[in-house]
Amino acid sequence: DNVMNQSPLSLTVTPGEPASISCKSSQSLLHSNGYTYLDWYLQKPGQSPQLLIYLGSNRASGVPDRFTGSGTDRDFTLKISRVEAADVGIYYCMQGPQIPPVTFGQGTRLEIK
Amino acid sequence: QVQLVQSGPEVKKPGASVRVSCKASGYTFTKFPIHWLRQAPGQRLEWMGWINAGNGYTKYSQNFQGRITFARDSSASIAFLDLSSLRSEDTALYYCARYFPDWESFDYWGQGTLVAVSS
Repeated sequence: DNVMNQSPLSLTVTPGEPASISCKSSQSLLHSNGYTYLDWYLQKPGQSPQLLIYLGSNRASGVPDRFTGSGTDRDFTLKISRVEAADVGIYYCMQGPQIPPVTFGQGTRLEIK
Repeated sequence: QVQLVQSGPEVKKPGASVRVSCKASGYTFTKFPIHWLRQAPGQRLEWMGWINAGNGYTKYSQNFQGRITFARDSSASIAFLDLSSLRSEDTALYYCARYFPDWESFDYWGQGTLVAVSS
């Protein structure tokens, strides 16, 4: 199976400062149809995961434009331009269902300083 | 609004079976596949497979082959996960999630069902 590795595993950020999370895939996530099957999810404390970014760089409905997904092939990044208290939680990258089996990164815990 | 509401927590003995349900509302149930995932304590999220809520087609992760069955009751908009031969390593929070084809991702998740396996 594909292995997804995230870094860092934890992050403490001052409100208003930027944050960046890396996700590296052992296999290419660029499908022959041109789509990149990489999603980002945020699991806030005590909640289910919620979709942030789909197909590598598209923000889901209601996601602030402070969140930006980028990358292709095997190397991906999630950037938060100005961290807010509401952004606390665990961030996961996920290999999309079109390239089964679906696999996840270990998660990156974001805390506020 | 779209909601996936899962059944309550379960405590099972090793070797037993468990059924988790996922009731959908706010959309046409048969139009979107339901995926099942789980999260064991301290572990990353693990994908278990999916069911086509329209025709009942299923695809299982090889990690669970032979122990897992997905089903659905289209008339009631409910999806089911059956897991048998439970062992302590199956202790986890189990999630259902709706697959949204336009985004190729999981746009709605259930609240999770805790299954604890202990003698």
